[in-house]
Amino acid sequence: NAGVTQTPKFQVLKTGQSMTLQCAQDMNHEYMSWYRQDPGMGLRLIHYSVGAGITDQGEVPNGYNVSRSTTEDFPLRLLSAAPSQTSVYFCASRPNSGSEAFFGQGTRLTVV
Amino acid sequence: KQEVTQIPAALSVPEGENLVLNCSFTDSAIYNLQWFRQDPGKGLTSLLLIQSSQREQTSGRLNASLDKSSGRSTLYIAASQPGDSATYLCAANTNAGKSTFGDGTTLTVKP
Repeated sequence: NAGVTQTPKFQVLKTGQSMTLQCAQDMNHEYMSWYRQDPGMGLRLIHYSVGAGITDQGEVPNGYNVSRSTTEDFPLRLLSAAPSQTSVYFCASRPNSGSEAFFGQGTRLTVV
Repeated sequence: KQEVTQIPAALSVPEGENLVLNCSFTDSAIYNLQWFRQDPGKGLTSLLLIQSSQREQTSGRLNASLDKSSGRSTLYIAASQPGDSATYLCAANTNAGKSTFGDGTTLTVKP
């Protein structure tokens, strides 16, 4: 019962570096989302997808790219990391809009 | 733009008390509302999901209610235990799968 798996769990980047946060789910869920969680600001939606090949922007998309080539995977790419992107990132999936969401354990990213 | 507010931000109660956590949202055109629990350094665990057509959902000692017209949801925890200590988050969801979260209520249950 893997559920939603995020890798890595921790990452330190230098300003300007790029990287990809991985998210995979084995529940055949159509909907997947990326959030960032910052102290005092709750969880904010970065990008989301309602199925393979379909993505859309959330509340704070700038500096992040996503793609959804398969149902299982929804990677989040940081093109040029900035200190403002230091945060905890969560990936979530749900079967459809009427179902409950399941979250991964998070990736703690520090940009120095 | 949907805004979700949770009051209080923090709550401390003695073990055994019944308590209510509040969640309010500005746009009543939600598809459903979900309550989560988050332990320090961990991900979110789903507690209850209420569809827009429902008034309440129950799971064990937890009961969540939804009043769309007033833009409010409550999470009732009966006979609280120290293991209930965590941050509780609510999320208002659209039919496109977009979620707007509140900042959470941090609950401490003292033995």
